[in-house]
Parts: sequence; C-alpha cells; structure tokens
Amino acid sequence: EAGVAQSPRYKIIEKRQSVAFWCNPISGHATLYWYQQILGQGPKLLIQFQNNGVVDDSQLPKDRFSAERLKGVDSTLKIQPAKLEDSAVYLCASSFTPGTRETAFFGQGTRLTVV
Amino acid sequence: AQSVTQLDSQVPVFEEAPVELRCNYSSSVSVYLFWYVQYPNQGLQLLLKYLSGSTLVKGINGFEAEFNKSQTSFHLRKPSFHISDTAEYFCAVTIIQGAQKLVFGQGTRLTINP
Repeated sequence: EAGVAQSPRYKIIEKRQSVAFWCNPISGHATLYWYQQILGQGPKLLIQFQNNGVVDDSQLPKDRFSAERLKGVDSTLKIQPAKLEDSAVYLCASSFTPGTRETAFFGQGTRLTVV
Repeated sequence: AQSVTQLDSQVPVFEEAPVELRCNYSSSVSVYLFWYVQYPNQGLQLLLKYLSGSTLVKGINGFEAEFNKSQTSFHLRKPSFHISDTAEYFCAVTIIQGAQKLVFGQGTRLTINP
C-alpha cells in the first residue's frame, strides 16, 4: 500500500515570497490533515478536511495561508507571503474514516526554510 | 479544548535499560490517546493507541502504555531500550466529540546515554 506522498521534500525561499506544498493521501482516505511542526515543538494542526470540505481550520493563519482539497483527493497548502517564522516542517496526514479513532498516516513532510 | 503535556523534552537512556516517557492530558470529556514515533527525517508513525477497554495497551517494537483516567496520564514504557529506539516520541489526544482534532504534545527525544 502506497503511503502519503508529499512534495517537495525541501524548499528554501526568501521572506515575502510565495510557496505551495502538495499532498497525495492514501487512496480511499476521507480525512486529510495539514500540520506545522516548528523545530523543537510538536505538530500543530493547521487544517483538517473531510473529503473536500473543511472540518477545522481554527489555527490556520488565513491572512497568509490557504489550503484546498480538490475532488476530495489531493491537497495543496499555500503560503503567501511567507514570513521568517513560517520556517518549519509541514506534515500531511490522512485517515480512512472521519474523526481520529482511525490511525492517521503521515507523509515525510516538506521542510521549509524562509530566509 | 484538549491539551497534552509531555514533561520531559529529552530522556537519555542506557542500552537495555527500561524507559518511561510521561504524558498527561487535559480534557473535560472522554478522549482517545495515541503515541507516535518520529525517526530522523521521517514522518510520524503510530506506536499504539487507546480507544476503550483494557487500560494497558501494547504497541509495536515492544512498547506499551497505560491509560490512567484518574491521573489523566498515558505514560509510555519499554522494558529494554535499544539504540534503534533513538527517536522523538509524541503523545497525542483527541476528544470524542465535535471535529475530533488530533492534538500533539511537545515531544520527548529518546537518546542513548553515552
């Protein structure tokens, strides 16, 4: 079974530039999560999708971050414009059914460095 | 809202020694509890989870955890640490209602004692 795929693995950009991350969840998984993991901290949930609808985005900085999940499959997370404090690993995860009773499977993440 | 506290940011352990990683949570309603492991440059992988039933949960790689409702704890244990266990460990909780967000603790880095 293929895992959660994320790209790119690494990205370096200057502040005020834009960046986009892509995630392909495990086939058939209805729930998709984006987490931000700053060095030395635990992952922080940015947004949670159920199919192509948003379940929770309360911690997404909506003035600069946006996310979409087209056709309930792939998802993109965009930052525009980036700030230095956005430097982090962005993790995508998916699970089969709604809610978190089911195991969430994580991708390897995209490490973003803003300089 | 739920929250998770991992009391130790780093735990050095001798090889073949027992290890315990502490996790406490805060929630006014029932919860599911999880431990995830993150090896260097990899994503998170589920070690074990508590949903209901027996409070002692066994996971992969010889790890186990015990749910203690009165102390709101979910400590992770392993009888014998191996160098391959060197990683960062995250405790996570979700409340059993509403949007069921998965909230993580700060993580505990398990390293071999030199």
